[in-house]
Amino acid sequence: DAKTTQPPSMDCAEGRAANLPCNHSTISGNEYVYWYRQIHSQGPQYIIHGLKNNETNEMASLIITEDRKSSTLILPHATLRDTAVYYCIVRVANRDDKIIFGKGTRLHILP
Amino acid sequence: GAVVSQHPSWVICKSGTSVKIECRSLDFQATTMFWYRQFPKQSLMLMATSNEGSKATYEQGVEKDKFLINHASLTLSTLTVTSAHPEDSSFYICSARYKGGGRGKPQHFGDGTRLSIL
Repeated sequence: DAKTTQPPSMDCAEGRAANLPCNHSTISGNEYVYWYRQIHSQGPQYIIHGLKNNETNEMASLIITEDRKSSTLILPHATLRDTAVYYCIVRVANRDDKIIFGKGTRLHILP
Repeated sequence: GAVVSQHPSWVICKSGTSVKIECRSLDFQATTMFWYRQFPKQSLMLMATSNEGSKATYEQGVEKDKFLINHASLTLSTLTVTSAHPEDSSFYICSARYKGGGRGKPQHFGDGTRLSIL
């Protein structure tokens, strides 16, 4: 799997948009970008994924640059419950490949 | 949505005992499940890949005789920590992926099992 780089921590004010960056400069053409988050003492929760087009669901939006070397996860209106560690992962879809977790970004939502 | 259930969520036992952790996919079939462990303030570390009907594949440095994995059906994988010792205390998490899932189907994770060995 391609390697990703994320800032170790970020702060965001409650009610504002949280923008979490991820660099994946060595991503291959058939690799998707996945985002998960882990709230304290819980298992990781799937958020969103995409290949090259921007994606949006009820939780977040995913913006992937045209060259696919980086992406941004956007939580449009952050709440205190969004405080978690966010992991950006790139991997080939439709394979039972293992997910290797990096250190992620620890997002603190400030009241 | 997809749900992966782990049981128990918390277990405390004496050193030397064996502990079994179950991972179930509740509303989908999973030919492959994964087991992770996580120490405090660290990221998840993959331990092994559990394949339905065949032997598990262990990551380098993980003792297969210590961590027994059985994946007997398309909805159940078990991890048994044999002769557990205090250093085995950790947060154990499983994940599963849809069998024959569509394009880009993600893996889904259980809520983890916190194991404390006294």
